[in-house]
Amino acid sequence: QSVLTQPPSVSGTPGQRVTISCSGDTSNIGSNPVNWYQLLPGTAPKLLIHNDNRRPAGVPDRISGSKSGTSASLAISGLQPDDEADYYCAAWDDSLTGQGVFGGGTKLTVL
Amino acid sequence: QLQLQESGSGLLKPSETLSLTCTVSGGSITSGGFSWTWIRHSPGRGLEWIGYISQSGTADYNPSLKSRVTISVDRSKNQFSLKLQSLTAADTAMYFCAKDQNGLIRLDLWGPGKMVIVSA
Repeated sequence: QSVLTQPPSVSGTPGQRVTISCSGDTSNIGSNPVNWYQLLPGTAPKLLIHNDNRRPAGVPDRISGSKSGTSASLAISGLQPDDEADYYCAAWDDSLTGQGVFGGGTKLTVL
Repeated sequence: QLQLQESGSGLLKPSETLSLTCTVSGGSITSGGFSWTWIRHSPGRGLEWIGYISQSGTADYNPSLKSRVTISVDRSKNQFSLKLQSLTAADTAMYFCAKDQNGLIRLDLWGPGKMVIVSA
């Protein structure tokens, strides 16, 4: 069971806006920045969002992140078929000796 | 441009030790203040943080793996390495090395990954 909680799946049609939630607690999301990764089959994960809502160069502005308290969200607007992938949230967890933690992943299906 | 590449054994038996190396090219592993990280992915468990080694040489590990894992750095070869002991089938996964920009799981550069299968 993952430290960060994500829905197993979400879906949308082309052009729609979808959001993926990520729930944690005060030792991780509540006190550290959230990062989001996209995982396509057969490829390495790609950093989509860092520091809660910052986009690395090359990530389109239809992808956005937000955080409130101990929860974070990833939003994808103008959904495209190529967006079909697994998405993971991640944060540092300050409990015990500290560790990196991921959500369980959310499969986005473009219908 | 900085690039990462994993190498090492891909098929192992239960109880054996996994040894993987990540070669950093296009820049020095000692510059930038980055942390050098190992991550693994399996369909049933998703992404899992294994641990990292900082530029100062301090290592931090996933508590669930801490008793079996060692991450080290060889600055002369511009490489960092992962050793995972006492393998079981549950360790079967794709293993990635990655650069952590700030030590807070901001993994902005990844290797292509190395598939590791543990089977008798």
